Amino acid sequence: EDKVVQSPLSLVVHEGDTVTLNCSYEVTNFRSLLWYKQEKKAPTFLFMLTSSGIEKKSGRLSSILDKKELFSILNITATQTGDSAVYLCAVAVNTGFQKLVFGTGTRLLVSP
Amino acid sequence: DAGVTQSPTHLIKTRGQQVTLRCSPKSGHDTVSWYQQALGQGPQFIFQYYEEEERQRGNFPDRFSGHQFPNYSSELNVNALLLGDSALYLCASSLEEHARYEQYFGPGTRLTVT
Repeated sequence: EDKVVQSPLSLVVHEGDTVTLNCSYEVTNFRSLLWYKQEKKAPTFLFMLTSSGIEKKSGRLSSILDKKELFSILNITATQTGDSAVYLCAVAVNTGFQKLVFGTGTRLLVSP
Repeated sequence: DAGVTQSPTHLIKTRGQQVTLRCSPKSGHDTVSWYQQALGQGPQFIFQYYEEEERQRGNFPDRFSGHQFPNYSSELNVNALLLGDSALYLCASSLEEHARYEQYFGPGTRLTVT
């Protein structure tokens, strides 16, 4: 059975700290790994990673994939209170169509 | 550019009742996936619709059914509601030909079964 595991489950940091969120996976027919931010309801897309070792970056957020060790990390530098959210990791499995397998998410709280 | 929309926003039903949730995909998208997100959990894949057909479903019973219309919008129906069906139901749309797996999510419908 396809599985995606995220750690830690929750995290409290102070504004300005740097955080690293982890995602490991065991799936058949890996296609890509995606990160989403979920603040209230709709998960919003952050990154899609398909190749090992290539860092994707957007402002203070960055992510990298290791396909050999089957994990990805999401880094957030100089955290702000607006970064408080649940961060979801999902793996797209190639079953002939687009299916996402999600982890349980990491709940990040950034305190002022 | 209209994003993914869902209706209703919230819904309260009683055990045994039936419910219909609606989703309009992002403009230009032709594929709709449905997910169930229980409190404190990640979204779980229910099924996906493309060209008005269900392509595959996750581990959900036949009480969960759906439909896709010619304009690509979709409905999720749940019969004989159970307390455990209480969750946030998310609809995601994508474009089949891109096959990039970037699914865009709607705001969800919060279903409470009492």
